[in-house]
Amino acid sequence: KQEVTQIPAALSVPEGENLVLNCSFTDSAIYNLQWFRQDPGKGLTSLLLIQSSQREQTSGRLNASLDKSSGRSTLYIAASQPGDSATYLCAVIPNQAGTALIFGKGTTLSVSS
Amino acid sequence: SQTIHQWPATLVQPVGSPLSLECTVEGTSNPNLYWYRQAAGRGLQLLFYSIGIGQISSEVPQNLSASRPQDRQFILSSKKLLLSDSGFYLCGTTGGVGEKLFFGSGTQLSVL
Repeated sequence: KQEVTQIPAALSVPEGENLVLNCSFTDSAIYNLQWFRQDPGKGLTSLLLIQSSQREQTSGRLNASLDKSSGRSTLYIAASQPGDSATYLCAVIPNQAGTALIFGKGTTLSVSS
Repeated sequence: SQTIHQWPATLVQPVGSPLSLECTVEGTSNPNLYWYRQAAGRGLQLLFYSIGIGQISSEVPQNLSASRPQDRQFILSSKKLLLSDSGFYLCGTTGGVGEKLFFGSGTQLSVL
């Protein structure tokens, strides 16, 4: 059974710092991996989608990498800002058509000014 | 681009009362639809998913049911709510396998 783990559960950094959020999954046979952002009491916003054949995706200050063989993905946030404070979740879709995403519990990021 | 409408935003219900949460999607046809629940201190749990009208797959045996009466409408129901049904319910959609999953704004359900 696929399991997704995110470490650390919480992270506090000063503004301007570059940071890395980690995601690991137990079964490397994934279809794709997606990173989301969730603000308190809100729905999830999709940030980046990495297909299993890709190694990374970039959007603005965000860069997500995927190492399928080792079962890991990282989300790199450059020059962090207070507005980046949120919970970041990663999710994988197993290598089966029509199956829904399996989520980690997230990393709650706090960026202080 | 697709838009997901989910309502209500918050709901407070007594134990034993019925539930109906509705989700509708615009800007796409024949989407895959999902219901997830996020309980306090826990990750997102997949409840139901649907790949077409009348086709519902249940991931977790529970006090809830789902229906898809129209292509872009997904309904989550319960006949009698339990305290353990409290949580944040999210409707999601993808255009197909391998595509991005988009979520609605969610419903915070409190069962008292």
